[in-house]
Formats: sequence, structure tokens, C-alpha cells
Amino acid sequence: AAGVIQSPRHLIKEKRETATLKCYPIPRHDTVYWYQQGPGQDPQFLISFYEKMQSDKGSIPDRFSAQQFSDYHSELNMSSLELGDSALYFCASSFGGQKDTQYFGPGTRLTVL
Amino acid sequence: AQSVTQPDIHITVSEGASLELRCNYSYGATPYLFWYVQSPGQGLQLLLKYFSGDTLVQGIKGFEAEFKRSQSSFNLRKPSVHWSDAAEYFCAVGNNAGNMLTFGGGTRLMVKP
Repeated sequence: AAGVIQSPRHLIKEKRETATLKCYPIPRHDTVYWYQQGPGQDPQFLISFYEKMQSDKGSIPDRFSAQQFSDYHSELNMSSLELGDSALYFCASSFGGQKDTQYFGPGTRLTVL
Repeated sequence: AQSVTQPDIHITVSEGASLELRCNYSYGATPYLFWYVQSPGQGLQLLLKYFSGDTLVQGIKGFEAEFKRSQSSFNLRKPSVHWSDAAEYFCAVGNNAGNMLTFGGGTRLMVKP
């Protein structure tokens, strides 16, 4: 069965640079979620989109922005990167936007030097 | 605000022994509860979920969990642990709209031969 695809899988950036993470949901899934997992931490919810509209917002820094496109893929844009942004970024997808199971991708490991 | 507590940070069991991982949640309404498993450097795999109905839910890999409203708990169990079960286990609660998952701190399971 098709799963959530994230690219790139690994990314190394310098401080103050920008990064763009991409997420391709499971086919027919219309809802995308972004989570950040720091070293040794549990995943923290950042933001979600349902039918291309932002549906919920968590602890996402103002330096980050995200959107969902017409084909339902999503991109997380991160600017002015800081050392503390180094983490595993997960994308998850679900169908229907509510009360449904989120299926997670393999994550993008971002390292900021 | 919703929250999840996993009291045990690390648990070590012998292969073939039974397992119970504890999860307590705080949520004002009927919770949507999940257990995910994460192997090192990997994504989150859904083990099982509870939305409503039968309070004992069966999942993949021989895992089950029981929802106890009176105790605000959703403990994960397995009658006989295999070495391949060694991983980090996260309990999560979904908000009413099913958008935002809040994770517990995780329990790292080690399996002795």
C-alpha cells in the first residue's frame, strides 16, 4: 500500500539559511499534518491543512510557514534557521479532516550547523 | 488542554514475557486514543486506535489496549514479547476535531534475550 512520502529524507543547512520540506500524502487523503520531533523528545504538532486550508495550528514558529497545494501535497518552509531547529520533521496524512487516523511518513531529518 | 502521560521512560522485559505500557490522558470530552511505535531513526507506525465502542481494541503485531474512562488510561499490552518489539512506544490523544495529536513522552522498550 502506498504510504506518505517525504523529501528530502536528510537535509543539512547552515544557520540563517532556508529549507523547504515536502510531503506527499497517501492517495485520496485530503488532510496533512506536520510534526517536529527534537532529539529524545516526543513529536510536537506544528500545523495541519484540510482541503488546502489551514485547519489547526500548534507550536509553529513565525519563521516557518506551510501550505497545501491543489494536488494535496504540502510544503513546510523554514527561514532563518537556528541550531534548535535541528529535528526530525514528520508529515502525516488522513482522510476527511476529522476523527480519523493519521498515517506518518518516514520523516525528514534536518540538521542545522 | 489535552495531555498524555507515560509514566515509564524505560522498560526492560525478557523475551517471551508479558508487557504492559502505561498511558494516562487528560481530555475534557471523549478522547480519540492511539498507540504508535517508532524504531530508531524511523517514522511512527500505528499499532492501534480507540475512537468508541468496545473498550478493548486489538492492533497489529499482537498488541492490544484497553480504554478505561474511570482511570483515564489506555494501557498497551502484549502477552509475549519478541526481540523485534524493542522500540519506542508513544501514546497519543486526538482533539475533538481529530486534527492535533498530543503525544506522551514515550516509553523505550528493551527486550532481553
